[in-house]
Amino acid sequence: RKEVEQDPGPFNVPEGATVAFNCTYSNSASQSFFWYRQDCRKEPKLLMSVYSSGNEDGRFTAQLNRASQYISLLIRDSKLSDSATYLCAVNVGGGADGLTFGKGTHLIIQP
Amino acid sequence: GAVVSQHPSWVICKSGTSVKIECRSLDFQATTMFWYRQFPKQSLMLMATSNEGSKATYEQGVEKDKFLINHASLTLSTLTVTSAHPEDSSFYICSAYLAAQETQYFGPGTRLLVL
Repeated sequence: RKEVEQDPGPFNVPEGATVAFNCTYSNSASQSFFWYRQDCRKEPKLLMSVYSSGNEDGRFTAQLNRASQYISLLIRDSKLSDSATYLCAVNVGGGADGLTFGKGTHLIIQP
Repeated sequence: GAVVSQHPSWVICKSGTSVKIECRSLDFQATTMFWYRQFPKQSLMLMATSNEGSKATYEQGVEKDKFLINHASLTLSTLTVTSAHPEDSSFYICSAYLAAQETQYFGPGTRLLVL
């Protein structure tokens, strides 16, 4: 499987700030894209799927740039509870195909 | 909805023993389930795709005779780590594919420590 790359961070951000991070993928045939959140020693939980037109869910906005092969996640008005590792995941085959994950970006929101 | 369980949540065993991990979709049926492994500070790596009623598909580098997968029903897949060794110590996570939402839901994971 092709690689998915993320800046591991950590990103240290004050509470209330806006933070953004990117994820690049190398397989241009990739069809589906996701952001997962993983807390320490826990399983990943789906944060949001990423659609071609970009999508927003509350304080979170995800964008896809197929030409440059990256996806991004923007978090506005960051909360202490946003501290976690954010994993980018890509599905090449679409549908019921295994995911290729990045190593994750560690985010620390500071009071 | 869309809850996936795993059992056990953690296991410690001696080198050479076999360990079975169960993955269950509690409120939906999953024709396809996946097994991943995550080493410390590493990404989740797909080990195999488990399809109900057929043989699992293993990723390159994953030994099918060492990691036995059985998906006997639409709500249960099992992973057996045979003759476990210390290098098999890892966090094993399953996911179940919910076709109606085109989404994988992850189980809570199983921490395996082989002494």
